[in-house]
This record gives sequence, structure tokens and C-alpha cells, in this order.
Amino acid sequence: SQTIHQWPATLVQPVGSPLSLECTVEGTSNPNLYWYRQAAGRGLQLLFYSVGIGQISSEVPQNLSASRPQDRQFILSSKKLLLSDSGFYLCAWTLRDVANYGYTFGSGTRLTVV
Amino acid sequence: AQSVTQLGSHVSVSEGALVLLRCNYSSSVPPYLFWYVQYPNQGLQLLLKYTTGATLVKGINGFEAEFKKSETSFHLTKPSAHMSDAAEYFCAVSDIVGGYNKLIFGAGTRLAVHP
Repeated sequence: SQTIHQWPATLVQPVGSPLSLECTVEGTSNPNLYWYRQAAGRGLQLLFYSVGIGQISSEVPQNLSASRPQDRQFILSSKKLLLSDSGFYLCAWTLRDVANYGYTFGSGTRLTVV
Repeated sequence: AQSVTQLGSHVSVSEGALVLLRCNYSSSVPPYLFWYVQYPNQGLQLLLKYTTGATLVKGINGFEAEFKKSETSFHLTKPSAHMSDAAEYFCAVSDIVGGYNKLIFGAGTRLAVHP
């Protein structure tokens, strides 16, 4: 069966520090991968998605970047964090056959920038 | 592009009462529709999804939703609320943009259940 892992679960970082959040999927190949952010009191905003190694699409301009160095690994990064980067970050995956597989989410990372 | 509207950011019901969470989508073609639940500081758990076929979809924890194309709606219901149902609920539509699948969420509805 397929599983998705996200870490760390919680992170407190000072303004101006770098960021690296990692997401890995097990039990499948060539998944579509996604990063979402959920800011306090707000819905889920799609940040990045990837359909293959090295293929990254950004939904909104921001202080963050994403990379996919391996088929089942998706990394969210920042060189210098801003206060506004605080939020709950969720990774998700699906396959082209969305009807059967749906979208599966990781357990999330709570990022607090201080 | 697709959009999802969830009416009511907060809904409060009594334990044992009917739960009704509303969701409308914008689409010219039948989309794939999803309901997710989120408990505090956790990821999203799939409650149910509609892709094709029967328009009344049954999910986990006694929830169900009905796809109504004429109303572009996909409302979530549960006949009798439990205290454990208190959580945030998200309606979402899967869209294909530029040949790629994306999941577009509504703003969410926070459900409170009181004794």
C-alpha cells in the first residue's frame, strides 16, 4: 500500500533563517506531488506541484521554492524565512488516475516563524 | 478555472442533530468532487469522493454527499452528529489545468458539536 511521510511535524524558526521540509511517498511510482499551505484561519492554498523529477510548477509568487530530486521525494525550501511564511504545510500525492486514487495527504508540518 | 464555495465558515449543531455542510462548485463539466476532514494539527483525511456513477456517495463515519449537477452542489450530510465529528471540513474539486491534475479547495467549514 502507498504511504506518505512528512517531516518535521513541528518547526520554530527565526526570521531570515533557511527552511527545508521534506515529503516522501512509498509504494508507488511517478506520482504527482503537491505542496499546500494553510495559514491561520484560512483555507488551503496550492503552492507547488510536480509531475516528475525536476518538473516543478509554482502557483503563486512567494518566498518559497520546491524541488523534486527523486521520483518520490518533494522538498519545500526557503533561503530566508519571513513572518508571513508561518502556517501549516501539507504534502499530497496522486496518480494520473485521480478517480481511483484520489489525493492523499501527509500529516503536515506546523511552521512558526518568530 | 474551477472554484469551490462552502457556505458557512462555522456550523454548530447539537449532538444527535442532522449535520449539513454546503458546497457548490463552478464547472461546465462534471468534475471529481471530494470532502476531507481535518482534526486539529493533523493532515486531511478523505471522507468521500464522487467521480462517476451513483450521485449519492457514502463515506466513512456515517457521512454521505449527493452530487447534484443541476445545482452544481455537493453537500455533505450526516443524520446524527457525534461529539467526535467536531473538526474542519473541506470540499474540493479536482481540476485539470494545463494537462495536470490539481485539487482546488473551498475555504472550509468548522463544525462544532455541543451536548
